[in-house]
Amino acid sequence: DTGVSQDPRHKITKRGQNVTFRCDPISEHNRLYWYRQTLGQGPEFLTYFQNEAQLEKSRLLSDRFSAERPKGSFSTLEIQRTEQGDSAMYLCASSLPGKQQGYTFGSGTRLTVV
Amino acid sequence: AQKVTQAQTEISVVEKEDVTLDCVYETRDTTYYLFWYKQPPSGELVFLIRRNSFDEQNEISGRYSWNFQKSTSSFNFTITASQVVDSAVYFCALSEARSNYQLIWGAGTKLIIKP
Repeated sequence: DTGVSQDPRHKITKRGQNVTFRCDPISEHNRLYWYRQTLGQGPEFLTYFQNEAQLEKSRLLSDRFSAERPKGSFSTLEIQRTEQGDSAMYLCASSLPGKQQGYTFGSGTRLTVV
Repeated sequence: AQKVTQAQTEISVVEKEDVTLDCVYETRDTTYYLFWYKQPPSGELVFLIRRNSFDEQNEISGRYSWNFQKSTSSFNFTITASQVVDSAVYFCALSEARSNYQLIWGAGTKLIIKP
């Protein structure tokens, strides 16, 4: 297992287009998290899954954002009708159950909306 | 109110100097966890350490050491004999029960090690 994989690494899209990102977590990790990070800031929590269940969504996650984890393995994050303010690094992390577990992060998908 | 404060936006030192990155946190929970992550220019967040609130013992890992002091709500990170490869943004983070153990991040400290 090579860790958490995210695809694509970079995405440039025109305003108003839809984009979808994929995250493949570490196989035995049943928790999966999405974060967004803008330049000069720490990551901001978006949502998380335990297996296929989406257990929490941040208020940051507007109705243009949707995340799925259909089989409890990989996850997708879709942004509809992208806006320039959506430009950011989208980070995925996974962890084992247990509050004390550390999170393993992927390299992120950098989205630029032009 | 900021729950995790990293007051140093950017620190620049010459290689081989020691450097301390400050982290002050705020929580009303008695059970919580503190983390440090490194984010090199490649963008990936690299886990460095996790500490729970019941373990105030300081930790040393090679050139890295962490000083956890509940009395001052601080969890500072020191790099001794810094190297150019230590250049990165370092984030301190908190997870607490009232936030469902989601990571709450500081704004990060950009560390520049000059050769």
